[in-house]
Amino acid sequence: SAVISQKPSRDICQRGTSLTIQCQVDSQVTMMFWYRQQPGQSLTLIATANQGSEATYESGFVIDKFPISRPNLTFSTLTVSNMSPEDSSIYLCSVRGLAPYEQYFGPGTRLTVT
Amino acid sequence: GESVGLHLPTLSVQEGDNSIINCAYSNSASDYFIWYKQESGKGPQFIIDIRSNMDKRQGQRVTVLLNKTVKHLSLQIAATQPGDSAVYFCAEGASGTYKYIFGTGTRLKVLA
Repeated sequence: SAVISQKPSRDICQRGTSLTIQCQVDSQVTMMFWYRQQPGQSLTLIATANQGSEATYESGFVIDKFPISRPNLTFSTLTVSNMSPEDSSIYLCSVRGLAPYEQYFGPGTRLTVT
Repeated sequence: GESVGLHLPTLSVQEGDNSIINCAYSNSASDYFIWYKQESGKGPQFIIDIRSNMDKRQGQRVTVLLNKTVKHLSLQIAATQPGDSAVYFCAEGASGTYKYIFGTGTRLKVLA
């Protein structure tokens, strides 16, 4: 299984500012995913990030709000732009495993926007 | 404190008893199902999976049952322990895609 770390683990931000979340994996992976988990809710996929190509965003999520970088096979960033209190969530990155349909998750970044 | 599971359905089980967590999935084309466990302050952790050509799969202390007729999935935990306390999510996926749709989740509380 892959070991995934995220930075920061949590942050409190002012509305209107932006936060960049980093995701580091201990092995090279083709596909990385970013999820949002709003308080008391399930996980919602924001986008899929493949190295060397533009991220693919799910319905309801746009690049201007959630720009993603994927500079290499072990690292990705998600930026939450122009934040509002509605962006307060846990943001999780995940990666595909070697076996079909395997997916591993990072510990998450808890974001609170005031 | 951890807000995951704050508003989710809760299942309270006595330590040592068996737990059954249910999940209804939405997509008839889904052919792969996974159960995840999420403890406070952590990301989801893989528990067990099942493909649509099976109706039952067993792991260590866990069993997943799949009923495709009614699009229902269940996770059975035998001899529930305090360490099983967490939020449990089912996820469904379809061949050819790498995206999962996560269910709403159930919070399991183990009573000593």
